[in-house]
Amino acid sequence: GAVVSQHPSRVICKSGTSVKIECRSLDFQATTMFWYRQFPKKSLMLMATSNEGSKATYEQGVEKDKFLINHASLTLSTLTVTSAHPEDSSFYICSAKAGGSSYEQYFGPGTRLTVT
Amino acid sequence: EDQVTQSPEALRLQEGESSSLNCSYTVSGLRGLFWYRQDPGKGPEFLFTLYSAGEEKEKERLKATLTKKESFLHITAPKPEDSATYLCAVQGNYGQNFVFGPGTRLSVLP
Repeated sequence: GAVVSQHPSRVICKSGTSVKIECRSLDFQATTMFWYRQFPKKSLMLMATSNEGSKATYEQGVEKDKFLINHASLTLSTLTVTSAHPEDSSFYICSAKAGGSSYEQYFGPGTRLTVT
Repeated sequence: EDQVTQSPEALRLQEGESSSLNCSYTVSGLRGLFWYRQDPGKGPEFLFTLYSAGEEKEKERLKATLTKKESFLHITAPKPEDSATYLCAVQGNYGQNFVFGPGTRLSVLP
């Protein structure tokens, strides 16, 4: 149980284009989803938290107009990197948390974004 | 401010050589402490949740323990497939976000 998928696993795009990454909870309903960014050999950096049906809460320093997050249903959240630049190249990971008394976050496999 | 540190940064063990990884934390009221395993190029895989001092959890060769200031991940007779980065995270009573430690990169040599 508690499986989270991400799509695509890898994407290469040209500078100035937009890229959408999907995160799905496959066998549970996720009241909250999180988006992280991870640099090589570094720990996870929280970008934003999204609750189903409401606006995402962004961490300090994360541009909300560049990283658009939509949590339209209890099983799907999307991250759109708009007007991507080479410095946006990174490993993006989502996680999902079920509601109620469950505190664990279950992570997706990650998406490797390369902007050329 | 909630903080998590992990030591050592990297650890190399021979197969069968038991050891422990440390996670030290400061948090305003602990809701939970979480251990994850991450393989290169993959997302973290959930291992354990610990809620209160004195609690212990076990899974195969791994055993996690918790005190009021730190948690240990004990690895007994490790195998090469245990090689990974082990991440520790805490969640405080205020808010739902995790604070992650920097991780310990474990290498188990055959």
